[in-house]
Amino acid sequence: TQLLEQSPQFLSIQEGENLTVYCNSSSVFSSLQWYRQEPGEGPVLLVTVVTGGEVKKLKRLTFQFGDARKDSSLHITAAQPGDTGLYLCAGERSNYQLIWGAGTKLIIKP
Amino acid sequence: GAGVSQSPSNKVTEKGKDVELRCDPISGHTALYWYRQSLGQGLEFLIYFQGNSAPDKSGLPSDRFSAERTGGSVSTLTIQRTQQEDSAVYLCASSLGRTASTDTQYFGPGTRLTVL
Repeated sequence: TQLLEQSPQFLSIQEGENLTVYCNSSSVFSSLQWYRQEPGEGPVLLVTVVTGGEVKKLKRLTFQFGDARKDSSLHITAAQPGDTGLYLCAGERSNYQLIWGAGTKLIIKP
Repeated sequence: GAGVSQSPSNKVTEKGKDVELRCDPISGHTALYWYRQSLGQGLEFLIYFQGNSAPDKSGLPSDRFSAERTGGSVSTLTIQRTQQEDSAVYLCASSLGRTASTDTQYFGPGTRLTVL
């Protein structure tokens, strides 16, 4: 059972376009994290959101946690080839266990 | 290096053989995690070590899987009598503390296991 559904599973767009990736669940999480993973490497933490409705910005990336703490989104403005990678969301179930989405594979074409 | 290291980076084995995967966490990190990542899937939690406490083994998929952490540092994940469905990337992560939301997990590059 996939407790965290990510969409889309795959996205290929041109450099300069905007995009949004979604992470949805029927469960409430105490926090939610977004990671980026490149081939042959482990995931790297981008951001943690904790409060319902919270919005965090990291340069061209905007992360939002849903009011009910069941869903989250990642919006990238003016995507660049360097943004290419696998984006994973993970919800905190206990204070150390994370439930992971299957990921969104993003390709930014120059 | 200051990051998490894992060895081997790739392991090809025959069905029925035992394999050992090693993880060297960041020095001083008390928490260590093992995950499994199958193709097209997210990470699956396997086991968690925190200091000298008993490990949380609730994610181990069968009794063929075991792990130990010696001296609170290096960890070894052992898979006995490997099956083809064990083929995946095995990731190790370490962190300073036990709370996912406040203690960043740092991941190693993983071991890609292929069972023929």
